[in-house]
Amino acid sequence: LAKTTQPISMDSYEGQEVNITCSHNNIATNDYITWYQQFPSQGPRFIIQGYKTKVTNEVASLFIPADRKSSTLSLPRVSLSDTAVYYCLVMMDTGRRALTFGSGTRLQVQP
Amino acid sequence: EAGVTQFPSHSVIEKGQTVTLRCDPISGHDNLYWYRRVMGKEIKFLLHFVKESKQDESGMPNNRFLAERTGGTYSTLKVQPAELEDSGVYFCASSQETRSREQFFGPGTRLTVL
Repeated sequence: LAKTTQPISMDSYEGQEVNITCSHNNIATNDYITWYQQFPSQGPRFIIQGYKTKVTNEVASLFIPADRKSSTLSLPRVSLSDTAVYYCLVMMDTGRRALTFGSGTRLQVQP
Repeated sequence: EAGVTQFPSHSVIEKGQTVTLRCDPISGHDNLYWYRRVMGKEIKFLLHFVKESKQDESGMPNNRFLAERTGGTYSTLKVQPAELEDSGVYFCASSQETRSREQFFGPGTRLTVL
């Protein structure tokens, strides 16, 4: 099971771009990288997933280098409502479906 | 479309009592998961249903926990007898495809055992 490491916390200001990097040095060939977001008093919410290179959706972008040992979640022009905990998860394409959450990165967006 | 719902939102019980948590997944989702976060620790997987069958219950902490999903719709998680260390937030999630990495979480049930 690939272990992930990400910063405990980050601070930003409204309108800035935020990049959260996650390390997963022992990622396996069949592993996908998935990011979840959690607001206070809510359950986690899926944001984005990818295998390699770059993935973009309406919420965020995910950058994965060729060696796949790390990934970066990019949030463009954050607002106060983006204040949340962001989790980086590594998950196989098949097999066990349990999500393994780490400590996550607590993002605080200031006005 | 309604999301995953959980009942109750909060529960306060005394040690030794029984509590039953309920989860209603998104309609049509065959996969249902239970997770929990205890004492400020990380969210941990408990078990996974595919329809009414337990696919993976490797995260269940002990035999005081019993999960059921009769009929393959809603699920219940019973804790009997509850202990102090069971306090935490219990999340339920569901997904349509077993291979999907996108699980839809409910708001959680906060359980406090006194």
